[in-house]
Amino acid sequence: DIVMTQSPLSLPVTPGEPASISCRSSQSLLHSNGYNYLNWYLQKPGQSPQLLIFLGSRRASGVPDRFSGSGSGTDFTLKISRVEAEDVGVYYCLQPLQVPLTFGGGTKVEIK
Amino acid sequence: EVQLVESGGGLVQPGGSLRLSCAASGFAFSSNWMHWVRQAPGKGLMWVSGMNGDGSLTNYADSVKGRFTSSRDNAKNTFYLEMNSLRPEDTAVYYCVRSLSGDSDYWGRGTLVTVSS
Repeated sequence: DIVMTQSPLSLPVTPGEPASISCRSSQSLLHSNGYNYLNWYLQKPGQSPQLLIFLGSRRASGVPDRFSGSGSGTDFTLKISRVEAEDVGVYYCLQPLQVPLTFGGGTKVEIK
Repeated sequence: EVQLVESGGGLVQPGGSLRLSCAASGFAFSSNWMHWVRQAPGKGLMWVSGMNGDGSLTNYADSVKGRFTSSRDNAKNTFYLEMNSLRPEDTAVYYCVRSLSGDSDYWGRGTLVTVSS
């Protein structure tokens, strides 16, 4: 199984400041087609997870451009250029490349 | 508008069975992979099972293999999860999810399954 490791576990942030979350996979998520199969989700309190980023760096429909994804192979990063109060919640990475699909353990983002 | 509505959750004793349903609308159901993802209380997300559009391919997490069975009725736009030999560690909110790959990813609101005596 591909193990997904996120850091940090918790991330206190100041509104207007940038934030960054890391996700590492135990195997490369780079497919032979050139795409990295890595998704990022945000689960706001009391809600279902919502897709932010797919294929490592592509923003999902309706996602603000302050969210960006980068990385390749086994190392990936989600960046928020300027955190807003509505960005609080738990962020998860997911590898949909190989069965079983596996999620990272989550990073809880909260306002300082 | 895309909608995924789960139902069938509830309280069941260890060793018991439950069948979850996911009613889909607003998209071409038979053209999409569908998945079940669960979340134990206060914990992270865990993929449970996935099935392709015509139902010819199904995958399961090791922890549910042999106990859970996914199926779909494309005529009724409904996705199912039959859960047998339930254990306390199966207690979770079960989400029905479209795709999990690409921009067509969409999650239902979930249904709570509690396994307890």
